Amino acid sequence: GAVVSQHPSWVICKSGTSVKIECRSLDFQATTMFWYRQFPKQSLMLMATSNEGSKATYEQGVEKDKFLINHASLTLSTLTVTSAHPEDSSFYICSARTGAWLEREWSPQETQYFGPGTRLLVL
Amino acid sequence: AQTVTQSQPEMSVQEAETVTLSCTYDTSESNYYLFWYKQPPSRQMILVIRQEAYKQQNATENRFSVNFQKAAKSFSLKISDSQLGDTAMYFCAFIRAGGTSYGKLTFGQGTILTVHP
Repeated sequence: GAVVSQHPSWVICKSGTSVKIECRSLDFQATTMFWYRQFPKQSLMLMATSNEGSKATYEQGVEKDKFLINHASLTLSTLTVTSAHPEDSSFYICSARTGAWLEREWSPQETQYFGPGTRLLVL
Repeated sequence: AQTVTQSQPEMSVQEAETVTLSCTYDTSESNYYLFWYKQPPSRQMILVIRQEAYKQQNATENRFSVNFQKAAKSFSLKISDSQLGDTAMYFCAFIRAGGTSYGKLTFGQGTILTVHP
C-alpha cells in the first residue's frame, strides 16, 4: 500500500527556534496533504489543508504565521513551527490524499494515508 | 458542519471475545463516507474499515464489521475474536463526498480499547 513518511520522527528544540517537519508521499502523487495536531489520548485536530502549488488553507484558530506550510511538489509538504514555545509541544501528523489532480470531491477509490507522526518537544 | 461523537472513552475486552465500539454522527449531507481508524501505541494511524453512505450493505474486513444505520446516523464497529494486537485507540471519521471538502476528515473523540489476555 501507499506509504507516507515524516521526518524527523521526534525533535527537541529550544524555545524561540523554528522547526521544520517534512511529509512525503513515497509512491504516489499527493495533490492534497493535511496536517494534524494531537495531544495525548485525544483526537486529531486538523490544522490545515495543503494543496500543491497553492497557499494552504488553515482551520479556524490556527495561526498561519506560526505554522507555515509549503507544498512545493506533488510528493512533499512541509510544516514549519516558527518561534516555537513549550505550548507548541505536541504530536504532529500529516496525511496524504490519493485523489486526482485538483479533485475536490472524494471518490470511492480514494484513500487517505497517514504519516507516522513527529513528536515535538520545546524546552 | 459535521460532527462525530464517540461516547465510550475507554473499553476493555478479553482476548477472543467480541466488542462493539459506538459512533454517531450528525450531517445534512446525503452522500458521504465513514471510516474507522486504529491508532496503536506506535501512533501510526491505520485504516480499519470504510463504508460508503449510499451502500446499504454493511462493510466487513475479516474480523472487523460495521453496523451502519443511516437513518439513525449510527456507525458502530464490531471486532470479533479480539486479539492483543487490537489494543489501540479507535477513531470514527467522516468525509463529505462532494463540495469543496478536499477530503477533509472529521474525527470523533476516540475510544481506547484494551484487549486483556
